[in-house]
Parts: sequence; C-alpha cells; structure tokens
Amino acid sequence: QVQLVQSGAEVKKPGASVKVSCKTSGYTFSEYAIHWVRQAPGQRLEWMGWINPVSGDTRYSQQFQGTVTITRDTSTTTGFMELTSLTSEDTAVYYCARDKWGTGWFDSWGQGTLVTVSS
Amino acid sequence: DIVLTQSPDSLAVSLGEGATINCKSSQSVLDRSNNKNSLAWYQQKPGQPPKLLIHWASTRESGVPDRFSGSGSGTDFTLTISSLQAEDVAVYYCQQYYKTPPHTFGQGTKLEIK
Repeated sequence: QVQLVQSGAEVKKPGASVKVSCKTSGYTFSEYAIHWVRQAPGQRLEWMGWINPVSGDTRYSQQFQGTVTITRDTSTTTGFMELTSLTSEDTAVYYCARDKWGTGWFDSWGQGTLVTVSS
Repeated sequence: DIVLTQSPDSLAVSLGEGATINCKSSQSVLDRSNNKNSLAWYQQKPGQPPKLLIHWASTRESGVPDRFSGSGSGTDFTLTISSLQAEDVAVYYCQQYYKTPPHTFGQGTKLEIK
C-alpha cells in the first residue's frame, strides 16, 4: 500500500536548521510530485513547495523562498525538506504529501513531523 | 494568491442530521480547459494528517462514504454530510489547485456533535 513515512519530532533552537525526511513506498516514485505543507498550532494548512522527483526541479511558496530547500533521493525514494534560520513561528507540524502529475490535489500524506523551535 | 474563506468556523450538528460547510474563493477556480472546478475537500481528525475526500469539487475519492458530497462552481462551493456519524467529527478544509503556486487552503471548519 502507499506509504509516506516521515522522520521523528525535532526540537531546535532559534537560528538553527532542520531537515525532515519523507520515505515513500508502494507506488512509482517518478509518477508523483512531493509537496510539503505545514500546520502551525491553530492555523490553516500552509503549502511550502514541491519537487519534481524525476528532474529535481522545485517550486516554493514566496513566503518560504530563501529559507526552505526541498530535495529528493531517487535511489531511496525519499523526499527531504530543510528549513533554515528557524524562529518560534516555525513551530509547526510539517507534512509531506503526493500529487499525481497534473492533478493538484493531495491523495496521500505522511503522518507529520512536529518541529518545535524554542530557546 | 487565491484566498479561500470557509464558513462557518465551527458548527455542532446532531447525530443523523445534515451538515453543510461552505468555501468561497477570491476568484473563480473553474478550469475552462475541462470545465471542471479545481477544488478539493479534506477531513482532518486530531493527531492525523488530512485525508482527501473530494476533488474536482464533486468527485468523491474511492472509499469515502456517499454521505459526503461536494457541489458548487466558480467561486462558491459546499461540502455536505447528509447524515452525521460520530466518526465525522473533524476539521474540514477546502483547497484550490487552479492557480498554483501556491496551493492554498481555507482556514478550516470544525465539526462537532451537538
């Protein structure tokens, strides 16, 4: 079955970086884009960016331009999201999700990774 | 960016009764190339990721109970639950994929049992 399994919770200090992984299985990795979406406490879902798993091309939300980097490892069918210069406002649950090319909706999601930024 | 505004922010409905959640878009999400509305609905239960219920505004995902239905076109959309079950308690989000990036979501509607 389709699975997106994310790395565990992280606690970081302000100014640090965090890298979250998303190990996929149960489907053809090249046929689905991987997106990253975050959810701060009590806030709406917020799309961060996506990666073309074949070419490695990425697109980011303007809000996260310059602080987020999305990558992938095709050999392990894993996606990664790195967020730098963390502040307390980055405390959130981060999700990876997939969408089949040309669709735009997210039909399968990772379980979420809580990132806590605290001094 | 397209802004999605849901109403109400929360509602309480008796078991077996119907529930209606609205989603209004700041601009039309009708894709004229296929005459479909680029809008999806998700259900999120506490401690879980969102679950896709509906895409193209009214196409139910496989395995989603038929008490869930989506309707609307252009800028105004509705998610209807025909007969509320206890397991339907969740927060519901709409999402547009007409003009991306970014994909944008509504602020969510919390559905509870009265």
